[in-house]
Parts: sequence; structure tokens; C-alpha cells
Amino acid sequence: QKEVEQNSGPLSVPEGAIASLNCTYSDRVSQSFFWYRQYSGKSPELIMSIYSNGDKEDGRFTAQLNKASQYVSLLIRDSQPSDSATYLCAVKTGNTGGFKTIFGAGTRLFVKA
Amino acid sequence: DAGVTQSPTHLIKTRGQQVTLRCSPKSGHDTVSWYQQALGQGPQFIFQYYEEEERQRGNFPDRFSGHQFPNYSSELNVNALLLGDSALYLCASRKDRGLYGYTFGSGTRLTVV
Repeated sequence: QKEVEQNSGPLSVPEGAIASLNCTYSDRVSQSFFWYRQYSGKSPELIMSIYSNGDKEDGRFTAQLNKASQYVSLLIRDSQPSDSATYLCAVKTGNTGGFKTIFGAGTRLFVKA
Repeated sequence: DAGVTQSPTHLIKTRGQQVTLRCSPKSGHDTVSWYQQALGQGPQFIFQYYEEEERQRGNFPDRFSGHQFPNYSSELNVNALLLGDSALYLCASRKDRGLYGYTFGSGTRLTVV
């Protein structure tokens, strides 16, 4: 089982729609969860972080965390063509001896104008 | 405020050679991690450095080694290069204390021929 799993996509949504991206993780004691956006040919950029169960909203982005189900999601409202990118889910895992951040393979999102 | 800077941006090496990649973290950041990203894949964790010590390591052979200097900058060394080492190598930094995500550099594109 992969430590962080995402549907590779591509996920295609029309402009103005809600894009829903999902991620599951295997380490039950993971505490920190992140979403990164990576445009083609560029490096990942942090867009959301979440640490507690529930929803966290930032502009058009909402991150959702359910630790019991080991599930993280990202909702993008009013999707724009400029949102077309690969979205990487990342989980910070480990113990007091040290933590590491593990990435999923990413979900490619296409927003059609 | 300069972000994470990496050098060189591109590199072509021959099988069997050795390579050194360099990274300067974002100002105020003390933790540096290195990732390998193959085309179409998510970043794979190589190792993390804090206080000049390797604190966590991913599933990479001993051919991959690193170093962190007192000014928090870091190097990634790869010996006996294989064709499969061709990838984008990303350096990421963050503050150790607190629940922070990473800031990534632009990466070094390594091609092994």
C-alpha cells in the first residue's frame, strides 16, 4: 500500500464548476496535511495546509480532513482555466525521532473554458 | 525575500560519474529536504537535514548522500550515476518548529546519458 494515494486523473471540469480532489494516507498517526499545486515545468507551490478534522477555507479553496477515514480532500470552487495543474497531496508523518513529508503521485486537473 | 535557490538549473552527466547539487533555503528556514521527481510522478523523498545532520531518509541507495552547512544551505551528492537517476531534483525548506509546509526551489534537471 502506498503511503499517500491519489487518483492520477486527469480530472476535467468546466469553467465555473467545483473541482473535487481526493487523497488517502496509510499512517494513522500523521498530523499535518498539505495540498500543493504544480504547473507543468514548474516546482510545487503550497496552497493549503490542514491539521484538524473538518474544513478549512481559503478563498476559492477548501481543504477537508477526516482522520478516522484517513482521507483528505481539496475543493476548488468557481474553477478557472488558470487552475489547470497537477495537485499534489502531502502528508507529514513520523515520530519524535524525525518527521518526513510524503507526496502522492498527484492528480492532473483540466479546467475547460 | 529570496526563496529557495538551487544550482545548477540543468545538468548533463555520463553514467558512472558523480554529481553535486546545491541549495540555499529560504531566509528563516532551518530544515532542508531533497526530493526526486520523475516525469509524471510525485516528488519522492530522498532525505531531510536539520542542524547539519540527516534526520530522515527515504528509500534511496547509499549512492545518494548529502550535507547541510552551518548557514543551513545543503548539497545533494549522487555517485555512480545510473540512467534511472535522470529526474528533476527538488530542494525544499521550512522552519523546523511549527506545522509548516515546504517552500520549493525551482529544481535541478539532471540528465544521465
